[in-house]
Amino acid sequence: NAGVTQTPKFQVLKTGQSMTLQCAQDMNHNSMYWYRQDPGMGLRLIYYSASEGTTDKGEVPNGYNVSRLNKREFSLRLESAAPSQTSVYFCASRDVGSFYEQYFGPGTRLTVT
Amino acid sequence: DQQVKQNSPSLSVQEGRISILNCDYTNSMFDYFLWYKKYPAEGPTFLISISSIKDKNEDGRFTVFLNKSAKHLSLHIVPSQPGDSAVYFCAASRFGSSGAGSYQLTFGKGTKLSVIP
Repeated sequence: NAGVTQTPKFQVLKTGQSMTLQCAQDMNHNSMYWYRQDPGMGLRLIYYSASEGTTDKGEVPNGYNVSRLNKREFSLRLESAAPSQTSVYFCASRDVGSFYEQYFGPGTRLTVT
Repeated sequence: DQQVKQNSPSLSVQEGRISILNCDYTNSMFDYFLWYKKYPAEGPTFLISISSIKDKNEDGRFTVFLNKSAKHLSLHIVPSQPGDSAVYFCAASRFGSSGAGSYQLTFGKGTKLSVIP
């Protein structure tokens, strides 16, 4: 039981390049979330998917797109990376029965030069 | 506007003593509060939570207190151990804040706890 997995762990991009961050969970959770964490900041919600087939914007969605591929997988895409998107990205999932508790992946550290 | 505030960026405590981490919130509609613990290069892990209908919740060495009138909660760790050294995030939510089932969490900036052996 791996929980929430994220790939890649590290990535360096040049400004303007695109990439997709992958997230998968094996806990059969309905809801999934993407956050970013910047130095001295808490986690800020980028996008979330309350259930398979739905996605909604969070607090900081600009510059990102998401796809809920199936119940297990929720990907985050940067179409044209900018230095301001240098951050650590965390994916999380939540079971409908676990109330507000979210389970987090290990994170992807992204640097945009 | 920051709705969840952790005003102490860092805290140092001697091993065996009590650690008290504080969190304030501004949105009176929040009805559930959580504490997460984060080690370097890892994702946050859930530690303990409390519903707004309670004023205390205890789990082993960890106790969370909620003072709704002051919009304040605190996490007590007794006794503190070196393995407790981590960043602690306070988070808050309210049911259906962006539609039923969304359960969005609003996080504070975190407090880095160092437990000195």
